[in-house]
Amino acid sequence: AQSVTQLDSHVSVSEGTPVLLRCNYSSSYSPSLFWYVQHPNKGLQLLLKYTSAATLVKGINGFEAEFKKSETSFHLTKPSAHMSDAAEYFCVVGGFQKLVFGTGTRLLVSP
Amino acid sequence: NAGVTQTPKFQVLKTGQSMTLQCAQDMNHEYMSWYRQDPGMGLRLIHYSVGAGITDQGEVPNGYNVSRSTTEDFPLRLLSAAPSQTSVYFCASYRAGVNTEAFFGQGTRLTVV
Repeated sequence: AQSVTQLDSHVSVSEGTPVLLRCNYSSSYSPSLFWYVQHPNKGLQLLLKYTSAATLVKGINGFEAEFKKSETSFHLTKPSAHMSDAAEYFCVVGGFQKLVFGTGTRLLVSP
Repeated sequence: NAGVTQTPKFQVLKTGQSMTLQCAQDMNHEYMSWYRQDPGMGLRLIHYSVGAGITDQGEVPNGYNVSRSTTEDFPLRLLSAAPSQTSVYFCASYRAGVNTEAFFGQGTRLTVV
C-alpha cells in the first residue's frame, strides 16, 4: 500500500523568503513521486516529478524537491517566494495503476 | 491539443436526481481516473480504468458508476445524488508505466441540494 503525508496544512511566508513544503511517503516499492500545484478555482498542474535519475529534481517556476530515501521524504522548496506562488500544493505518490494524493498544503504569500 | 476535457463545469442537482459527468482525452492514454476534491482532504480516488472495458474501484466508490467503452471516454455516473456528493470532481489520464504524470481536466463543481 502507498500513502503520503503532507505535514503542514498551511504555510505562510513573506515575498522574497524561502519556501519549504514538507512531504513524507510510504511505499512498498520504489515510488513515483510528484508535486502538483492548484491555483484558486483552477485545475492541477504538474510542478515536478521524481524519476530516479537524480535525487534533486528541478521543476517549473523555480521550485525543486529532494528525494531522500532514508527519510522517506520528498520536500518541495523554492529559494524566494513570489506572490504568484500562492496556491495549494499536493504531494502525490504513484505506483501500480493509481495515484495517491496528500491532503494538500496551502501556501500563503504576504507582501 | 485539447488534453483532458470535462463537462459540465458547474452543475446543481436535487437530491435523488441522476447525472453523468463527461470526461474525454485525446492523448491515447491507457489509464483514466476520477477524483473528488473536498476541503482538507486532498483528492480521493473514486474509480479508475486501465484500459477500455476495464474499471476498478478506488477509495470512495459508493454512489458512483463508471464504464470505459473506448480509450478516449470515461464517464462518471451519479445514480441518485446525495448532498454528501457535493464536491469538485476531476478526471485524469496518464500513460501506463512508472513515473508518468497525470493530466487533469479543469474540474466539475457539483452542488446537490
